[in-house]
Amino acid sequence: GENVEQHPSTLSVQEGDSAVIKCTYSDSASNYFPWYKQELGKRPQLIIDIRSNVGEKKDQRIAVTLNKTAKHFSLHITETQPEDSAVYFCAASQNYGGATNKLIFGTGTLLAVQP
Amino acid sequence: EAQVTQNPRYLITVTGKKLTVTCSQNMNHEYMSWYRQDPGLGLRQIYYSMNVEVTDKGDVPEGYKVSRKEKRNFPLILESPSPNQTSLYFCASIRAGVEAFFGQGTRLTVV
Repeated sequence: GENVEQHPSTLSVQEGDSAVIKCTYSDSASNYFPWYKQELGKRPQLIIDIRSNVGEKKDQRIAVTLNKTAKHFSLHITETQPEDSAVYFCAASQNYGGATNKLIFGTGTLLAVQP
Repeated sequence: EAQVTQNPRYLITVTGKKLTVTCSQNMNHEYMSWYRQDPGLGLRQIYYSMNVEVTDKGDVPEGYKVSRKEKRNFPLILESPSPNQTSLYFCASIRAGVEAFFGQGTRLTVV
């Protein structure tokens, strides 16, 4: 089955710096890769996603890149702000014809943005 | 408002006393799933359901049961809870091929 590895487990950056979180997946059939943000005491929420037919996607200060050959994808946050502090999860699944297969998560990255 | 509702939010119970955590969604999603969150281990999938009466094991199904008799509800059942099932549990409802919506979470302590 699918296995998703995520690194680093913790990341501390200064406000205004960039942060990068990396994930690798094992199942080449996976074609959908979302990222979730979980603030302290709250539920995870989707922040950005990418499909296997796209190499990069941006949404304001966040971007995700995908390398299908190497089976890895990354989250990039630029100009970090204290409110970016949270746990970030990557995930992988197979979506074909609108049906979703198992959604498997990485182990999470605790991002701390120091003011 | 689109939502996933879990109950209870907090539960302290004793070893061996059967319990059920309820999960309900109002978005008519076919796919629902249960996860447990433990420090350093991320979100691990317990069970998932791709439609009514269709359930399957995730990565950590031991000690849990689920049922999907109707589309909106997906309860998690612990027939004989043990201390190693102390965790934070999340139910998720997934829009086909896109976003997972999570419930508020249930913090379970088994003593």
